Amino acid sequence: DQQVKQNSPSLSVQEGRISILNCDYTNSMFDYFLWYKKYPAEGPTFLISISSIKDKNEDGRFTVFLNKSAKHLSLHIVPSQPGDSAVYFCAAFNQAGTALIFGKGTTLSVSS
Amino acid sequence: NAGVTQTPKFRILKIGQSMTLQCTQDMNHNYMYWYRQDPGMGLKLIYYSVGAGITDKGEVPNGYNVSRSTTEDFPLRLELAAPSQTSVYFCASSYSAGTSGNTIYFGEGSWLTVV
Repeated sequence: DQQVKQNSPSLSVQEGRISILNCDYTNSMFDYFLWYKKYPAEGPTFLISISSIKDKNEDGRFTVFLNKSAKHLSLHIVPSQPGDSAVYFCAAFNQAGTALIFGKGTTLSVSS
Repeated sequence: NAGVTQTPKFRILKIGQSMTLQCTQDMNHNYMYWYRQDPGMGLKLIYYSVGAGITDKGEVPNGYNVSRSTTEDFPLRLELAAPSQTSVYFCASSYSAGTSGNTIYFGEGSWLTVV
């Protein structure tokens, strides 16, 4: 049973527009969430995180929103650039804080 | 900065062979992890370690073994390789447990094919 779900396998966006990637989780005890970006043949790289005490965290073009009541996260990229084309993984630390639980990922394609 | 280094990058194994994936980190991190990623799937935890001499199973540990004799190294052993172990393997590390502000850093990955 998946505890972190990314229901959209892919997303296509034009350069300069907003990209919105969504993530849902089932365990209300999760309190720390991370987004990772992955290029082909490379390891995942950390992008941005959010703690459950916040509902928004920004870092440059990237903003993560957390809706605890809906158990939903979203990653906004504005403006989107061709270099943002990658697989984006949503992840949550398990209750013990000993490991990350990952969603299946969303492949973002940004066209110029 | 080297970060998390994995070797080999690519390997083809025959069914029944054994091998060790090497992983080392130079960030003095206490926690280390092995994940595998199958096509179209997220990363799944195989084993993790919270410090030298301490290891524990993750979600998919069957067919693997680990050891943690030093802070820096966390090798993953595959015994009697099976086609189901064809995957991409990622080693990772973090300073501490999943408290706010902590981040897990990943290696570049090891592509393993069992034929």
